[in-house]
Amino acid sequence: GQNIDQPTEMTATEGAIVQINCTYQTSGFNGLFWYQQHAGEAPTFLSYNVLDGLEEKGRFSSFLSRSKGYSYLLLKELQMKDSASYLCASSDSNYQLIWGAGTKLIIKP
Amino acid sequence: GAVVSQHPSWVICKSGTSVKIECRSLDFQATTMFWYRQFPKQSLMLMATSNEGSKATYEQGVEKDKFLINHASLTLSTLTVTSAHPEDSSFYICSRETSGRTDTQYFGPGTRLTVL
Repeated sequence: GQNIDQPTEMTATEGAIVQINCTYQTSGFNGLFWYQQHAGEAPTFLSYNVLDGLEEKGRFSSFLSRSKGYSYLLLKELQMKDSASYLCASSDSNYQLIWGAGTKLIIKP
Repeated sequence: GAVVSQHPSWVICKSGTSVKIECRSLDFQATTMFWYRQFPKQSLMLMATSNEGSKATYEQGVEKDKFLINHASLTLSTLTVTSAHPEDSSFYICSRETSGRTDTQYFGPGTRLTVL
């Protein structure tokens, strides 16, 4: 079957680094997406990985290992505004998104 | 700027009434658009894929007669919640594809529906 797993909730301190993990099992694979969603708002695109390795984009980086079915989102220099849910989604063989349940990230001062 | 708009952003209605939500692609002629529903503290749930000029494709468990989708033009898709009930209260979000890739989606701002 198709499945995306990510932690339900994580807590981190302002200024610190946090890593949000995601494991996936899908029928075929055309890439892994990360979205950020603030409470009461729609998701916004953060990153897309289709090749193994680390993609860095400012304070946010995303990593993919296709052989392990594993990805993580790394957030550095955490700010209070980073408090949000982070959604992992895998693109299957039909380019359909399979969504994880999201990880709620709580940033404490 | 925003590439997908939704209207209204929030709506409160009485049980038994119908509510129409519009989703517009502002910068791209989207053959395919998507409708999601999100209950509090839960992830997105795809309801249906809206195809311009043809019938929408509904996900398993979504009642097509209750959630009417019309994609009459390349820039507009509408979702009508018919005979709404309190359990239909949710956050409804639409998105559009990008350049033929249905996995790369831009989301609208969402519509908060509250049924009394």
